[in-house]
Amino acid sequence: QVQLVESGGGWVKPGGSLRLSCVASGFTFSDYYMNWIRQVPGKGLEWISYISGSGSTIYYADSVKGRFTISRDNGKKSLYLQMNSLRAEDTAVYYCAREGSNAENFDYWGQGTLVTVSS
Amino acid sequence: SFDLTQPPSVSVSPGQTARIICSGDALPKHFAYWYQQKPGQAPVEVIYKDSERPSGIPERFSGSSSGTTVTLTISGVEAEDEADYYCQSVDSSGSFRVFGGGTKLTVL
Repeated sequence: QVQLVESGGGWVKPGGSLRLSCVASGFTFSDYYMNWIRQVPGKGLEWISYISGSGSTIYYADSVKGRFTISRDNGKKSLYLQMNSLRAEDTAVYYCAREGSNAENFDYWGQGTLVTVSS
Repeated sequence: SFDLTQPPSVSVSPGQTARIICSGDALPKHFAYWYQQKPGQAPVEVIYKDSERPSGIPERFSGSSSGTTVTLTISGVEAEDEADYYCQSVDSSGSFRVFGGGTKLTVL
């Protein structure tokens, strides 16, 4: 069955960096677009980035553009999010999610990893 | 930018029908998707392409679309349906994914 497992979350000071990982299993990873979505505790969902199966197409939400970098390693069935210049408002649970066959929706989600940015 | 607007909360009694509306200017051109999120859990897709139901989702969940609004309908609401519900679509370019603000469904 499809599984997505995130890791790499933790506490970091403002201005610091963190790299999140998401390991996939149960499907042909390279065939699917993958996304990062975050959720401030107690608040709503915010899409932040996606990457095509080959890695050739990437988009970012304005809130993270220029600070975050999405990437993938299809050989390792892994998705990454490099987060630089972190701010307090980046504190959230970060989910990786697979895009469904419609390439617009999210049919499988990981369990999330919490990132806390605080001094 | 493209916004999706949902009511913050909806309350219904068990066995009644809950309707959650999501509105957005680009919805006539793009499909909408709905997710259920229970406390401490990741979201789960309950409706895709406006009205399709993924396997494993109970038949009481349905979706519809009309103009700039889409509606998630839960017929015969059960206590276990109490959760946050999010609509989602894409912007006019099709490149950016967007979520509504979420609706908390309370089963009285």
